[in-house]
Amino acid sequence: AQSVTQLGSHVSVSEGALVLLRCNYSSSVPPYLFWYVQYPNQGLQLLLKYTSAATLVKGINGFEAEFKKSETSFHLTKPSAHMSDAAEYFCAVGYNAGNMLTFGGGTRLMVKP
Amino acid sequence: DADVTQTPRNRITKTGKRIMLECSQTKGHDRMYWYRQDPGLGLRLIYYSFDVKDINKGEISDGYSVSRQAQAKFSLSLESAIPNQTALYFCATSIAGLDAGELFFGEGSRLTVL
Repeated sequence: AQSVTQLGSHVSVSEGALVLLRCNYSSSVPPYLFWYVQYPNQGLQLLLKYTSAATLVKGINGFEAEFKKSETSFHLTKPSAHMSDAAEYFCAVGYNAGNMLTFGGGTRLMVKP
Repeated sequence: DADVTQTPRNRITKTGKRIMLECSQTKGHDRMYWYRQDPGLGLRLIYYSFDVKDINKGEISDGYSVSRQAQAKFSLSLESAIPNQTALYFCATSIAGLDAGELFFGEGSRLTVL
């Protein structure tokens, strides 16, 4: 069965610092990979997705993620954190167009002034 | 108005009561899903439906049932609620095809079972 591991349930950064949220998946076949963001009292919104095109994927709000097959990773980064980035972030994986998504446990990002 | 609407947004109930959470969507998507979110566990799939006549169990369907009344409506029922069903529940939709993995979520229904 597919699985997704997000290292660190809580990450704290200072405003302006680099954001790095880690995601590793278990798979022997190329996956579809997603990052979703959940702001307080809201549903999840798609941040970006990888679907076997470019390995570096750019998303909304300055976030990007790089697919590294050799490391089975899809880490999310942003060069400079903003207070409005404080939210919970979920990595998810699926293995074909009709398959269900499996979500990681989530990482809560806190941004300090 | 939200594309995916869940009602109620918050509900407190007692053990043994029957509860229904409703979801309606205006996106015109064929596929609908119910997930529950628990701290540290991410989202886990309860049930999903690919069209009106299609119902499928997800990872954690025990204690739950669903009804797909129309393309736009998908309800989740707890026949006899228990405290460990206290969670945040999300309805989601998607299109069929290559982008089927991209889900569109409602704002969630927070259920507390006492």
